[in-house]
Amino acid sequence: EDKVVQSPLSLVVHEGDTVTLNCSYEVTNFRSLLWYKQEKKAPTFLFMLTSSGIEKKSGRLSSILDKKELFSILNITATQTGDSAVYLCAPTQGGSEKLVFGKGTKLTVNP
Amino acid sequence: NAGVTQTPKFQVLKTGQSMTLQCAQDMNHEYMSWYRQDPGMGLRLIHYSVGAGITDQGEVPNGYNVSRSTTEDFPLRLLSAAPSQTSVYFCASRVEGGLETQYFGPGTRLLVL
Repeated sequence: EDKVVQSPLSLVVHEGDTVTLNCSYEVTNFRSLLWYKQEKKAPTFLFMLTSSGIEKKSGRLSSILDKKELFSILNITATQTGDSAVYLCAPTQGGSEKLVFGKGTKLTVNP
Repeated sequence: NAGVTQTPKFQVLKTGQSMTLQCAQDMNHEYMSWYRQDPGMGLRLIHYSVGAGITDQGEVPNGYNVSRSTTEDFPLRLLSAAPSQTSVYFCASRVEGGLETQYFGPGTRLLVL
């Protein structure tokens, strides 16, 4: 059975802190790993990772994939209150239209 | 482009009532999907369509019907609403092979009493 586990489920930090969010997965025919940010509405796409060890970066956010150990991390440096959101990861599978989402990590950044 | 639109934004139903959640996109995307999201959960796929006239079941299809008569529209029907269907529903669309560039609608919040 396909499985996606995100940790921690919830995290509270102060502005300026650095956070690391984890996503481990077990899916058949793995193709890529997607990260989304969800505020009080629909998820917005952050990263797609397909190759191990190659960091994707966008401003203060970065992510990396380990296909051998079946996990990905999302790093946010110098956090801001606007980073407060639920962060979702979802592996994609070859030959399948289905995205299997993790439960998400709820990040709260306090001023 | 309006992108992906959903109506209504919020709906209250009584158990046993039926209703249709509307979803439309103006990007000429072949693929459209319906997800539900419950508190503390990620999104779960209900039904999806790879083109007009073609639909298939996702992870949690029971209690829902879909049809795809046009490329633009993908309505989701609740035949007999149950409290377990209280959730936020998201519609999404994308081009073929573009899971990473899936566009989500703003969501419909449904409360079944």
